[in-house]
Amino acid sequence: EVQLLESGGGLVQPGGSLRLSCAASGFTFTNYAMSWVRQAPGKGLEWVSGISGGSDATYYADSMKGRVTISRDNSKNTVYLQVNSLRAADTAVYFCAKNRAIVVPGVPFDYWGQGTLVTVSS
Amino acid sequence: QSVLTQAPSVSAAPGQKVTISCSGSNSNIGNNFVSWYEHLPGTAPKFLIYDDNKRPSGIPDRFSGSKSGTSATLGITGLQTGDEADYYCGTWDSSLSAYVFGTGTRVTVL
Repeated sequence: EVQLLESGGGLVQPGGSLRLSCAASGFTFTNYAMSWVRQAPGKGLEWVSGISGGSDATYYADSMKGRVTISRDNSKNTVYLQVNSLRAADTAVYFCAKNRAIVVPGVPFDYWGQGTLVTVSS
Repeated sequence: QSVLTQAPSVSAAPGQKVTISCSGSNSNIGNNFVSWYEHLPGTAPKFLIYDDNKRPSGIPDRFSGSKSGTSATLGITGLQTGDEADYYCGTWDSSLSAYVFGTGTRVTVL
């Protein structure tokens, strides 16, 4: 059974940083790209970033480019999202999602985690 | 602001059918496969349709997808109270080099 468990969310002050983690199990982690998707309160889903199975390619939404870095540790079956210079508009539930193939472009998400809440407030 | 547009809400009685449209452009829907996701707030989104019209294993055939040009449609037949959720289309946008979601449609079972 595929399981994705996010952690690392919480309350952070504007301008601060967070590193979100997503521990994966139930599939061969290196064979699949992974992505992060967020949902702000009362808003829709917004793709944030994706990384290929071998970490050779990364992709970012324009809205967060320059402030986020996605990475993965295939020995730990874990994907990370480093978010810097946080602002109130970044307040959202951040979901980890498994891509359906090893690459990111054009590939949908077949499994999702429950999400971790990031609240940016002073 | 999403590049894929959906109606905010649709509703129908139990047992009836609803269709949800997703409108985009040549840089996304027109040249890339569309997927659909079901999301009940507070839970993990669920993968419903991929490659425009294919269902992952475990998804009942009450759910169907289609695409024409730069628009895609999700159909749900035999509507059940358990289908009340938000539904999102999604696809890759080749111009943005980014995955894009629709604005979302709330399905209400009357």
